[in-house]
Amino acid sequence: GAGVSQSPSNKVTEKGKDVELRCDPISGHTALYWYRQRLGQGLEFLIYFQGNSAPDKSGLPSDRFSAERTGESVSTLTIQRTQQEDSAVYLCASSSNPGLPYEQYFGPGTRLTVT
Amino acid sequence: AQKITQTQPGMFVQEKEAVTLDCTYDTSDQSYGLFWYKQPSSGEMIFLIYQGSYDEQNATEGRYSLNFQKARKSANLVISASQLGDSAMYFCAMREGQNYGQNFVFGPGTRLSVLP
Repeated sequence: GAGVSQSPSNKVTEKGKDVELRCDPISGHTALYWYRQRLGQGLEFLIYFQGNSAPDKSGLPSDRFSAERTGESVSTLTIQRTQQEDSAVYLCASSSNPGLPYEQYFGPGTRLTVT
Repeated sequence: AQKITQTQPGMFVQEKEAVTLDCTYDTSDQSYGLFWYKQPSSGEMIFLIYQGSYDEQNATEGRYSLNFQKARKSANLVISASQLGDSAMYFCAMREGQNYGQNFVFGPGTRLSVLP
């Protein structure tokens, strides 16, 4: 079946503008994660959704970052008033629940460049 | 403190040789899972292998095996018979406890280059 998809694949925006990134998880996956990956670095956890539970927002770096998810479907990550340090690849992953090993399936990412 | 340490920023291996990528972890949980992901230059993250903390045998998946040494808190990835297509970034990750979310952490990665 289809994997995790993300759009846009690339986004160039001016400093101060708002951006919205979209993630479509694998159908039936109840868990959805957002990560940020700066150039040459590892993955930085941002936010996690699990079914209808309250999301774990503990990784969001500032109040300019927010994310929503409708049920167990699409999620959007919004960055307001973008800054140059927001430039990174934003990766979305989904996972089925429950059942080990809870491995995550990743989307191709959105490369965000803030000029 | 770093939860996941990968001490090799870059590694080289000759095609058809075996290579070991190091990973050490830090947790006080008894129940946890260890993962390895591959990230080629195209950017997608590919799940390779999983080891549960209670698994008594080392995990294997094709040419990948995980050398799990619980007392040393290490979970090294061994790739046998390296292929040119193995050139990529490799990330070690850990899920602590039975929960998701921020308890799923990634190491900084090791860039593997396979030489012809």
